[in-house]
Amino acid sequence: DSGVTQTPKHLITATGQRVTLRCSPRSGDLSVYWYQQSLDQGLQFLIQYYNGEERAKGNILERFSAQQFPDLHSELNLSSLELGDSALYFCASSVGFSISYNEQFFGPGTRLTVL
Amino acid sequence: GENVEQHPSTLSVQEGDSAVIKCTYSDSASNYFPWYKQELGKRPQLIIDIRSNVGEKKDQRIAVTLNKTAKHFSLHITETQPEDSAVYFCAATSTGGFKTIFGAGTRLFVKA
Repeated sequence: DSGVTQTPKHLITATGQRVTLRCSPRSGDLSVYWYQQSLDQGLQFLIQYYNGEERAKGNILERFSAQQFPDLHSELNLSSLELGDSALYFCASSVGFSISYNEQFFGPGTRLTVL
Repeated sequence: GENVEQHPSTLSVQEGDSAVIKCTYSDSASNYFPWYKQELGKRPQLIIDIRSNVGEKKDQRIAVTLNKTAKHFSLHITETQPEDSAVYFCAATSTGGFKTIFGAGTRLFVKA
């Protein structure tokens, strides 16, 4: 157990819908990272927050948004869902703002299925 | 844009043999190279990493080498065991560690 929690574990929804994925970082970690893992594209970095502020953006679609709250938990919002959004979404956390200096720990993931 | 290529996509070895996975990166600003192991249905876990000021790093049966000039780095697993069977991802992180680019992954099978 990495100490990073994600809810829900599984989510099944329909195209066009909107969902929210939640992540609670390890105690003391200030950074939260979101990743998408689909079968044909491996792990894709989406976005990073550090202490409530957006720190880095990766291949995140405009239909997706995220935020980190004062208690440091983070939410990833996915809207106008398409079949291709079906994937495993991982959250990770680290103490500092750079994984070059602080190991990042992954949560168990949320499996999203869009029908 | 930045890219990390990883080869092979699948690797099958006999227990006790060595396994080598290679990655090539494109961003010359990359300076941190972690390797993750992901078992089926589980989360990725960091197994070893290397920084750009080091050419090689070892941790028991696992080693990583880095050639900055050629922009490639490799994972070496010696004396493989069935429990080494998993998907391995390489990654490259740019200065400041703000953005991590992952390779596509290598599925390693270790046959007993």
